[in-house]
Amino acid sequence: QVQLQESGPGLVKPSQTLSLTCTVSGGSISSGSYYWSWIRQPAGKGLEWIGRIYTSGSTNYNPSLKSRVTISVDTSKNQFSLKLSSVTAADTAVYYCARGARDGYNSDYWGQGTLVTVSS
Amino acid sequence: NFMLTQPHSVSESPGKTVTISCTRSSGSIASNYVQWYQQRPGSSPTTVIYEDNQRPSGVPDRFSGSIDSSSNSASLTISGLKTEDEADYYCQSYDSSNHGEVFGGGTKLTVL
Repeated sequence: QVQLQESGPGLVKPSQTLSLTCTVSGGSISSGSYYWSWIRQPAGKGLEWIGRIYTSGSTNYNPSLKSRVTISVDTSKNQFSLKLSSVTAADTAVYYCARGARDGYNSDYWGQGTLVTVSS
Repeated sequence: NFMLTQPHSVSESPGKTVTISCTRSSGSIASNYVQWYQQRPGSSPTTVIYEDNQRPSGVPDRFSGSIDSSSNSASLTISGLKTEDEADYYCQSYDSSNHGEVFGGGTKLTVL
């Protein structure tokens, strides 16, 4: 059973960089059938796709966040990471990592989510 | 790019059937698969329908999905409603124009 677990600071100061890591267990992150995503959800609001990475290293980002987002993968550690720069209070949200299926873009496994608050 | 529009909320009684719509603003609803996710309070989303009408193992056959090209929309239908179905439901689809993903705004289902 594949499991994903987000980790990282729960509090980030405005203008700084948010950094999160997702550790994958129960399966290899190198499987070519999948990609690895970050999705966020502000309190009481809907889901927002942030971006994805394939194990080749190829990435796609939400156009509205593209200038501030970097997603990377470390296959040796079975982890992938998110960096979001120049954060503001609007970036306060629960951040989820997820596995997606390449052939249909269904996110079939999700982490439990981690709350990141942007505040001084 | 496009938007997916869902009703903000729906409510129905236990045992009844409810349908949640997801309308695509531009481009054909049939051009990319639609997924439906259920999110209970305090939990991560889980897939109830993928690739328009496929049910993951473990999802009861009370859940079904369809697309309608005439209205350019997808639908999630839940029959024999149970109180445990009370949750937020999100539709999602791939955006070929920018290789992104689009989520609908979510629909709060109340079973009362």
